[in-house]
Amino acid sequence: GAVVSQHPSRVICKSGTSVKIECRSLDFQATTMFWYRQFPKQSLMLMATSNEGSKATYEQGVEKDKFLINHASLTLSTLTVTSAHPEDSSFYICSARDREGSSYGYTFGSGTRLTVV
Amino acid sequence: GNSVTQMEGPVTLSEEAFLTINCTYTATGYPSLFWYVQYPGEGLQLLLKATKADDKGSNKGFEATYRKETTSFHLEKGSVQVSDSAVYFCALTHNSGGSNYKLTFGKGTLLTVNP
Repeated sequence: GAVVSQHPSRVICKSGTSVKIECRSLDFQATTMFWYRQFPKQSLMLMATSNEGSKATYEQGVEKDKFLINHASLTLSTLTVTSAHPEDSSFYICSARDREGSSYGYTFGSGTRLTVV
Repeated sequence: GNSVTQMEGPVTLSEEAFLTINCTYTATGYPSLFWYVQYPGEGLQLLLKATKADDKGSNKGFEATYRKETTSFHLEKGSVQVSDSAVYFCALTHNSGGSNYKLTFGKGTLLTVNP
């Protein structure tokens, strides 16, 4: 089946630095990539939606200059958390919707646990 | 707008017990409905889905039927196992107003199955 590889799975960074999270669709073309943030014991909060080759669409309340999303190809999307602060610590998950909207539907990455110290 | 309401739990059952997690939705038209499962520290995995009214999704002993008349998609399993312990999310997608088919999730239900 469809697989989305998300890296890193865990990252610890110092306050003020930037962190890049990658999601790759391994055996299908992801026309749309969704980025979520999940707080402990809570549901997923959609941060932004990106389509290959175009600018991401951010949800209300999400700072686009802080959470930079790039979807340069049909198999790779990245989320960069810039000037990270402790309040950015969270679990980030990507999800890819495949090109034809086939039975694969939406495939999720395994998530990235970001801790900012 | 679209919304999903699911039983929040937590739900604690003994092994081999019957499971029901309720899910109702609000959406215009005919959304597609999903159940996802999340094991600790991991991303989400698709458990089952249904794309039109009266469809039944099933997988690994879990079932859910798309009921348009009651706008529901309740998850059931006849006999749960310890390995079913996880968080379960009900979700829908609908390309209304150019929403890009983004998923709308319920709040999740933590299921713990004891031996």
